[in-house]
Amino acid sequence: AQSVTQLDSQVPVFEEAPVELRCNYSSSVSVYLFWYVQYPNQGLQLLLKYLSGSTLVESINGFEAEFNKSQTSFHLRKPSVHISDTAEYFCAVVSQGGSEKLVFGKGTKLTVNP
Amino acid sequence: KAGVTQTPRYLIKTRGQQVTLSCSPISGHRSVSWYQQTPGQGLQFLFEYFSETQRNKGNFPGRFSGRQFSNSRSEMNVSTLELGDSALYLCASSGSGFPGDTQYFGPGTRLTVL
Repeated sequence: AQSVTQLDSQVPVFEEAPVELRCNYSSSVSVYLFWYVQYPNQGLQLLLKYLSGSTLVESINGFEAEFNKSQTSFHLRKPSVHISDTAEYFCAVVSQGGSEKLVFGKGTKLTVNP
Repeated sequence: KAGVTQTPRYLIKTRGQQVTLSCSPISGHRSVSWYQQTPGQGLQFLFEYFSETQRNKGNFPGRFSGRQFSNSRSEMNVSTLELGDSALYLCASSGSGFPGDTQYFGPGTRLTVL
Protein backbone atom coordinates (compact mmCIF):
# COMPACT_ATOMS: atom_id res chain seq x y z
CA ALA A 1 0.00 0.00 0.00
CA GLN A 2 1.07 3.55 -0.59
CA SER A 3 0.65 6.71 1.45
CA VAL A 4 1.42 10.36 0.75
CA THR A 5 2.20 13.06 3.29
CA GLN A 6 2.01 16.72 2.43
CA LEU A 7 3.72 18.39 5.32
CA ASP A 8 2.04 21.79 5.09
CA SER A 9 -1.72 22.19 4.89
CA GLN A 10 -1.47 25.91 4.17
CA VAL A 11 1.33 28.01 2.68
CA PRO A 12 0.92 31.80 2.45
CA VAL A 13 3.47 33.69 0.37
CA PHE A 14 3.84 37.10 -1.23
CA GLU A 15 3.72 37.59 -4.96
CA GLU A 16 7.08 37.06 -6.72
CA ALA A 17 8.47 35.11 -3.75
CA PRO A 18 9.75 31.54 -4.18
CA VAL A 19 7.71 28.66 -2.83
CA GLU A 20 8.25 24.99 -2.01
CA LEU A 21 5.40 22.58 -1.33
CA ARG A 22 6.62 19.43 0.32
CA CYS A 23 5.56 15.89 -0.45
CA ASN A 24 6.83 12.62 0.99
CA TYR A 25 5.53 9.19 0.11
CA SER A 26 5.72 5.68 1.46
CA SER A 27 5.47 2.60 -0.71
CA SER A 28 6.71 -0.98 -0.75
CA VAL A 29 6.73 -0.96 -4.56
CA SER A 30 7.93 1.42 -7.25
CA VAL A 31 5.58 4.28 -7.96
CA TYR A 32 4.89 7.04 -10.41
CA LEU A 33 4.49 10.51 -8.90
CA PHE A 34 2.15 13.35 -9.76
CA TRP A 35 1.28 16.88 -8.74
CA TYR A 36 -2.25 18.06 -9.42
CA VAL A 37 -3.71 21.54 -8.88
CA GLN A 38 -7.30 22.38 -8.00
CA TYR A 39 -8.69 25.88 -8.47
CA PRO A 40 -11.86 26.84 -6.55
CA ASN A 41 -14.98 25.02 -7.72
CA GLN A 42 -13.07 23.04 -10.33
CA GLY A 43 -11.73 19.54 -10.77
CA LEU A 44 -8.07 18.63 -10.61
CA GLN A 45 -5.59 19.43 -13.36
CA LEU A 46 -2.25 17.70 -13.84
CA LEU A 47 0.66 20.00 -13.13
CA LEU A 48 3.51 17.57 -13.74
CA LYS A 49 4.48 13.95 -13.28
CA TYR A 50 7.52 11.76 -12.87
CA LEU A 51 7.60 8.40 -14.62
CA SER A 52 11.30 7.74 -15.22
CA GLY A 53 14.49 9.35 -16.48
CA SER A 54 15.59 12.77 -15.29
CA THR A 55 14.57 13.27 -11.68
CA LEU A 56 13.75 16.93 -12.31
CA VAL A 57 10.46 17.52 -14.10
CA GLU A 58 9.00 20.83 -15.16
CA SER A 59 5.56 22.19 -15.97
CA ILE A 60 4.71 24.74 -18.62
CA ASN A 61 3.84 27.42 -16.06
CA GLY A 62 7.14 27.51 -14.21
CA PHE A 63 6.70 24.84 -11.54
CA GLU A 64 9.23 22.07 -11.14
CA ALA A 65 9.53 19.00 -8.92
CA GLU A 66 12.43 16.76 -8.11
CA PHE A 67 12.12 13.06 -7.39
CA ASN A 68 14.42 11.98 -4.58
CA LYS A 69 14.30 8.22 -4.20
CA SER A 70 16.49 8.03 -1.10
CA GLN A 71 14.34 10.55 0.75
CA THR A 72 11.11 9.33 -0.88
CA SER A 73 10.21 12.91 -1.67
CA PHE A 74 8.76 14.81 -4.60
CA HIS A 75 8.75 18.47 -3.55
CA LEU A 76 7.19 21.09 -5.81
CA ARG A 77 8.93 24.43 -6.33
CA LYS A 78 8.44 27.69 -8.15
CA PRO A 79 11.04 30.48 -8.09
CA SER A 80 8.51 33.31 -8.35
CA VAL A 81 4.78 32.91 -7.75
CA HIS A 82 1.87 34.92 -9.12
CA ILE A 83 -1.52 35.73 -7.66
CA SER A 84 -3.01 33.30 -10.17
CA ASP A 85 -1.09 30.41 -8.56
CA THR A 86 -3.44 30.59 -5.59
CA ALA A 87 -5.00 27.12 -5.48
CA GLU A 88 -4.83 23.79 -3.68
CA TYR A 89 -2.03 21.45 -4.71
CA PHE A 90 -2.16 17.69 -4.37
CA CYS A 91 0.69 15.24 -4.52
CA ALA A 92 -0.24 11.72 -5.62
CA VAL A 93 1.35 8.35 -6.31
CA VAL A 94 0.29 5.29 -8.22
CA SER A 95 1.83 1.84 -8.10
CA GLN A 96 3.81 1.08 -11.26
CA GLY A 97 2.54 -2.45 -11.38
CA GLY A 98 -1.06 -1.81 -10.49
CA SER A 99 -4.08 -0.18 -12.03
CA GLU A 100 -4.77 3.50 -11.99
CA LYS A 101 -5.59 3.98 -8.34
CA LEU A 102 -4.14 7.36 -7.42
CA VAL A 103 -3.31 7.80 -3.75
CA PHE A 104 -3.43 11.48 -2.83
CA GLY A 105 -1.98 13.56 -0.06
CA LYS A 106 -4.29 15.81 1.95
CA GLY A 107 -3.38 18.83 -0.14
CA THR A 108 -1.57 22.13 0.42
CA LYS A 109 -3.49 25.34 0.05
CA LEU A 110 -1.19 27.93 -1.51
CA THR A 111 -2.29 31.54 -1.05
CA VAL A 112 -0.34 34.20 -2.92
CA ASN A 113 -0.80 37.66 -1.46
CA PRO A 114 -0.08 40.95 -3.23
CA LYS B 1 -11.41 17.45 -27.66
CA ALA B 2 -14.12 17.97 -25.09
CA GLY B 3 -13.08 17.37 -21.51
CA VAL B 4 -14.56 15.05 -18.95
CA THR B 5 -18.14 15.99 -18.18
CA GLN B 6 -20.11 15.12 -15.09
CA THR B 7 -23.82 15.46 -14.49
CA PRO B 8 -25.44 16.79 -12.51
CA ARG B 9 -23.08 19.40 -11.09
CA TYR B 10 -25.06 19.82 -7.88
CA LEU B 11 -27.42 17.50 -6.09
CA ILE B 12 -29.35 17.70 -2.85
CA LYS B 13 -30.80 14.52 -1.37
CA THR B 14 -32.14 13.39 1.97
CA ARG B 15 -30.94 10.52 4.12
CA GLY B 16 -32.08 7.13 2.94
CA GLN B 17 -32.49 8.11 -0.69
CA GLN B 18 -30.33 6.85 -3.50
CA VAL B 19 -28.47 8.80 -6.15
CA THR B 20 -26.89 8.17 -9.55
CA LEU B 21 -24.05 10.29 -10.87
CA SER B 22 -22.90 10.26 -14.47
CA CYS B 23 -19.51 10.73 -16.09
CA SER B 24 -18.65 11.06 -19.77
CA PRO B 25 -14.92 10.57 -20.39
CA ILE B 26 -12.80 12.21 -23.02
CA SER B 27 -13.51 10.65 -26.40
CA GLY B 28 -11.34 7.57 -26.92
CA HIS B 29 -10.53 7.10 -23.24
CA ARG B 30 -11.32 3.65 -21.90
CA SER B 31 -10.48 4.02 -18.21
CA VAL B 32 -12.75 5.85 -15.79
CA SER B 33 -12.00 6.31 -12.10
CA TRP B 34 -14.14 7.81 -9.35
CA TYR B 35 -12.94 9.69 -6.28
CA GLN B 36 -14.68 11.17 -3.26
CA GLN B 37 -13.37 14.47 -1.93
CA THR B 38 -14.26 15.71 1.55
CA PRO B 39 -12.59 18.30 3.80
CA GLY B 40 -11.85 15.71 6.46
CA GLN B 41 -10.70 12.70 4.45
CA GLY B 42 -9.36 14.44 1.37
CA LEU B 43 -9.41 12.59 -1.95
CA GLN B 44 -10.25 8.92 -1.70
CA PHE B 45 -10.40 6.39 -4.51
CA LEU B 46 -13.76 4.71 -5.04
CA PHE B 47 -13.32 2.46 -8.07
CA GLU B 48 -11.89 2.22 -11.56
CA TYR B 49 -13.40 0.77 -14.70
CA PHE B 50 -11.62 -0.22 -17.88
CA SER B 51 -13.50 -1.52 -20.89
CA GLU B 52 -16.65 -2.13 -18.82
CA THR B 53 -14.80 -4.15 -16.15
CA GLN B 54 -14.15 -2.99 -12.61
CA ARG B 55 -10.40 -3.31 -12.18
CA ASN B 56 -9.92 -1.81 -8.76
CA LYS B 57 -12.06 -0.86 -5.81
CA GLY B 58 -11.38 1.38 -2.85
CA ASN B 59 -12.36 0.84 0.73
CA PHE B 60 -15.98 1.96 0.62
CA PRO B 61 -19.12 0.12 1.72
CA GLY B 62 -21.22 -1.82 -0.75
CA ARG B 63 -23.72 1.07 -0.89
CA PHE B 64 -21.31 2.58 -3.40
CA SER B 65 -21.42 0.91 -6.77
CA GLY B 66 -20.62 1.75 -10.35
CA ARG B 67 -20.69 0.57 -13.88
CA GLN B 68 -19.27 1.43 -17.26
CA PHE B 69 -21.04 1.22 -20.57
CA SER B 70 -19.70 0.14 -23.95
CA ASN B 71 -19.17 3.79 -24.94
CA SER B 72 -16.98 4.22 -21.81
CA ARG B 73 -19.51 6.44 -20.06
CA SER B 74 -19.73 5.58 -16.40
CA GLU B 75 -22.24 5.91 -13.61
CA MET B 76 -21.87 5.57 -9.91
CA ASN B 77 -24.72 4.86 -7.56
CA VAL B 78 -24.99 5.44 -3.84
CA SER B 79 -27.89 3.78 -2.08
CA THR B 80 -29.32 4.53 1.36
CA LEU B 81 -27.60 7.88 1.59
CA GLU B 82 -26.03 8.96 4.87
CA LEU B 83 -25.07 12.45 6.00
CA GLY B 84 -21.40 11.49 5.67
CA ASP B 85 -21.83 10.89 1.96
CA SER B 86 -21.95 14.63 1.39
CA ALA B 87 -18.91 15.30 -0.76
CA LEU B 88 -17.57 16.32 -4.13
CA TYR B 89 -17.49 13.27 -6.38
CA LEU B 90 -14.85 13.47 -9.07
CA CYS B 91 -14.57 11.35 -12.16
CA ALA B 92 -11.33 10.99 -14.10
CA SER B 93 -10.57 9.37 -17.43
CA SER B 94 -7.40 8.18 -19.09
CA GLY B 95 -6.60 6.59 -22.39
CA SER B 96 -4.81 3.31 -22.17
CA GLY B 97 -5.15 2.25 -18.57
CA PHE B 98 -1.40 2.46 -18.02
CA PRO B 99 -0.73 3.53 -14.39
CA GLY B 100 1.48 6.40 -15.49
CA ASP B 101 -1.18 7.84 -17.78
CA THR B 102 -2.43 11.28 -16.96
CA GLN B 103 -5.88 11.16 -15.45
CA TYR B 104 -8.12 13.97 -16.66
CA PHE B 105 -10.64 15.08 -14.08
CA GLY B 106 -14.12 16.41 -14.53
CA PRO B 107 -15.48 19.37 -12.53
CA GLY B 108 -17.22 17.05 -10.09
CA THR B 109 -20.70 16.56 -8.72
CA ARG B 110 -21.35 18.26 -5.39
CA LEU B 111 -23.67 16.00 -3.38
CA THR B 112 -25.33 17.34 -0.27
CA VAL B 113 -27.23 14.92 1.95
CA LEU B 114 -29.71 16.49 4.37
